[in-house]
Amino acid sequence: GESVGLHLPTLSVQEGDNSIINCAYSNSASDYFIWYKQESGKGPQFIIDIRSNMDKRQGQRVTVLLNKTVKHLSLQIAATQPGDSAVYFCAETLSGNQFYFGTGTSLTVIP
Amino acid sequence: NAGVTQTPKFQVLKTGQSMTLQCAQDMNHNSMYWYRQDPGMGLRLIYYSASEGTTDKGEVPNGYNVSRLNKREFSLRLESAAPSQTSVYFCASMRGGENTGELFFGEGSRLTVL
Repeated sequence: GESVGLHLPTLSVQEGDNSIINCAYSNSASDYFIWYKQESGKGPQFIIDIRSNMDKRQGQRVTVLLNKTVKHLSLQIAATQPGDSAVYFCAETLSGNQFYFGTGTSLTVIP
Repeated sequence: NAGVTQTPKFQVLKTGQSMTLQCAQDMNHNSMYWYRQDPGMGLRLIYYSASEGTTDKGEVPNGYNVSRLNKREFSLRLESAAPSQTSVYFCASMRGGENTGELFFGEGSRLTVL
């Protein structure tokens, strides 16, 4: 199977600061990447996606960067809020049916 | 609009017992998935169904069977539960038809096998 991993298992940031969550993937053929957010006791929720023909995509307060050269994906959250505290997963796919998830990074926002 | 509904939310089994996890979605999605989530392991795909009438193995299918009963429902069965199957199980659905990764997840089913 695919190997999708995260550099840091935990991350703590002050409220109002920007957060950066990193992800490494192993299959250079993967063509689609997604970030999910999972709050305690709930299922993951889609945040933002990016295709391999792009290197940056922006959403509301979130930006995903893709560096195919080093097989690296990052999620940037601007002006982090307490409601952003959660576990964040990156996922990759080649076929569009099988999505391979990383192990997750736990983000804690300090008020 | 309920989204993806899983039952039961909690279950305790003894080794060797069988059970079925039920999943239903009301979004008219084509694709449905079963994942398991273990501490430090992220989400691992057990089985998926790209469309009604089809099922395929994922990363960790051993010990499980699935049934895509109709477009709405996708069940996961453990025929003879083992302690290694203690986990949180998530069902998800996706519209399908395009390379889109917006999976909609249920709230999860926490299974303990003693």
